[in-house]
Amino acid sequence: EIVLTQSPATLSLSPGERATLSCRASQSVSSYLAWYQQKPGQAPRLLIYDASNRATGIPARFSGSGSGTDFTLTISSLEPEDFAVYYCQQRRNWMYTFGQGTKLEIK
Amino acid sequence: QVTLKESGPALVKPTQTLTLTCTFSGFSLSTSAMRVSWIRQPPGKALEWLARIDWDDDKFYSTSLKTRLTISKDTSKNQVVLTMTNMDPVDTATYYCARSYGDYGGYFDYWGQGTLVTVSS
Repeated sequence: EIVLTQSPATLSLSPGERATLSCRASQSVSSYLAWYQQKPGQAPRLLIYDASNRATGIPARFSGSGSGTDFTLTISSLEPEDFAVYYCQQRRNWMYTFGQGTKLEIK
Repeated sequence: QVTLKESGPALVKPTQTLTLTCTFSGFSLSTSAMRVSWIRQPPGKALEWLARIDWDDDKFYSTSLKTRLTISKDTSKNQVVLTMTNMDPVDTATYYCARSYGDYGGYFDYWGQGTLVTVSS
């Protein structure tokens, strides 16, 4: 099983600031990594797939990078609606796994 | 418009078998490269992928839960069913079904709203 480790667990920032979230895989997942946003009481929403491709309708302030074992989700300038929990997920093999999440909170 | 909705009991007793149904619309599970997965999330915790069924009836299960899970589909009814045997309080979670397709193969582009299942005597 591929383990995904996200850091930090909690990130406290203000609107307008830049957010950088990390996801590290226990073995290479090539570029087969996605990022999701989840707000309280809601299902997750796909933001980024294949490490750097924005899903349909996702604003340009969200970007993803990385390959192999180290990945980053960047939100260039935080909007109030961006404060949520973010998960990474790999599909390198059929046994999909998620990271434990990063909570992005308002400072 | 793609929608998915989970249904099933809100409360089950320990050792019982849970049966959840995902009813979807806006796509067909007979379309090549279409897949539906079940994912769960204990309260306040992370997401956990459970099982997947493909358009060609291939099935995949979480290795840690494989012995307890069965996934099936009824293409004519646009439904996917998940059964989980020998339920335990640690299985208390919101259970989601989600779709994967095309460029998003292996990723989940549409999700149901989730259904909370509590395991308690």
